[in-house]
Amino acid sequence: DAGVIQSPRHEVTEMGQEVTLRCKPISGHNSLFWYRQTMMRGLELLIYFNNNVPIDDSGMPEDRFSAKMPNASFSTLKIQPSEPRDSAVYFCASSFFGQGGTDTQYFGPGTRLTVL
Amino acid sequence: GIQVEQSPPDLILQEGANSTLRCNFSDSVNNLQWFHQNPWGQLINLFYIPSGTKQNGRLSATTVATERYSLLYISSSQTTDSGVYFCAVETGGTSYGKLTFGQGTILTVHP
Repeated sequence: DAGVIQSPRHEVTEMGQEVTLRCKPISGHNSLFWYRQTMMRGLELLIYFNNNVPIDDSGMPEDRFSAKMPNASFSTLKIQPSEPRDSAVYFCASSFFGQGGTDTQYFGPGTRLTVL
Repeated sequence: GIQVEQSPPDLILQEGANSTLRCNFSDSVNNLQWFHQNPWGQLINLFYIPSGTKQNGRLSATTVATERYSLLYISSSQTTDSGVYFCAVETGGTSYGKLTFGQGTILTVHP
């Protein structure tokens, strides 16, 4: 398996621009997670989906952030408009959740976002 | 929500030394995982260990769920072990695999 795939790996944009981050989870996984990592705040969970349905978006910092999962193999995290304080590494992760509980969670390589 | 505390926050070792990292959590958990974030930023699974003991090469982990802690042992450390080690837990209920992370232990191994 290719693992969790994220694109782009690096993104540099100017304040006010729209940014879209993409994630392809591991095939067969039904839970998908978006995290943000900064030096100051550590690893924060932004939102997660199960069977393509958003379960908890309480970690999304503000209305400028939105996430979608139109099918089991694709998710996006969008920031519009972007601000310098959004600069961080954004990780996508996936796992399988079933009646027996949760399997191991696997992380993608991350997208390093810099907003100038 | 559940609190996850890791200790020590920083650890500096000489190559070949052994170390123990600790993770305490404030409530019962369904799942506990240890991750290593390497200097390039990649987060790698080390162990899925809600209870008991597991070993993988020079690394081993033990979780005592009734006492709400887990330990990660690194033996004969190598410079490639450097990075940040995270403990993460999943609590009960319908969490769908949601993990709560500790703040991490920064490990530096010198040659």
